[in-house]
Amino acid sequence: NAGVTQTPKFQVLKTGQSMTLQCAQDMNHEYMSWYRQDPGMGLRLIHYSVGAGITDQGEVPNGYNVSRSTTEDFPLRLLSAAPSQTSVYFCASSPRVSGNTIYFGEGSWLTVV
Amino acid sequence: DAKTTQPNSMESNEEEPVHLPCNHSTISGTDYIHWYRQLPSQGPEYVIHGLTSNVNNRMASLAIAEDRKSSTLILHRATLRDAAVYYCILFMDSNYQLIWGAGTKLIIKP
Repeated sequence: NAGVTQTPKFQVLKTGQSMTLQCAQDMNHEYMSWYRQDPGMGLRLIHYSVGAGITDQGEVPNGYNVSRSTTEDFPLRLLSAAPSQTSVYFCASSPRVSGNTIYFGEGSWLTVV
Repeated sequence: DAKTTQPNSMESNEEEPVHLPCNHSTISGTDYIHWYRQLPSQGPEYVIHGLTSNVNNRMASLAIAEDRKSSTLILHRATLRDAAVYYCILFMDSNYQLIWGAGTKLIIKP
């Protein structure tokens, strides 16, 4: 049971480049989400999905796109990387009902130079 | 807007109980209270969650105030491995969003 798997773990981008952070879960969870965590702060929600084909914006969606074509995968795309997007990114999944445990990936460290 | 408020840091001695407080005065009736902890360079780890009643598991206990505007995470016997940042989070049932506070850095002294 792999849980929530994120790739890559580390990435350095140049300003203006695009890239995709991958997230996959093998627990058949309906709810998946992406967060960013800046130094000394809690996680902030970027985008989330409550099922395949359904996505919605979180607190800080600008500069990011997502899609949910399958239950298992929820990739996060950076359209044109900016230094302000230097952060640690976490993917999470859970069953849809809010009273369930949320499972997090190990994080992706992104640096934009 | 819903939010949680926690002390920035707390210290405790090893083998002693720890009470980590959290205020969430804007909580709605169906929002669950979750606690997660995070070690350096790792993803958040589930600790406990609850809605109205106090909850216990092998890691900790969660005491929820009767009006649900505050809660306390209780580590019954802290060890050095419990040193981490502890986050009190509201999981909003209305839109499945998690509202994170800045967290409490727990320091355990040997």
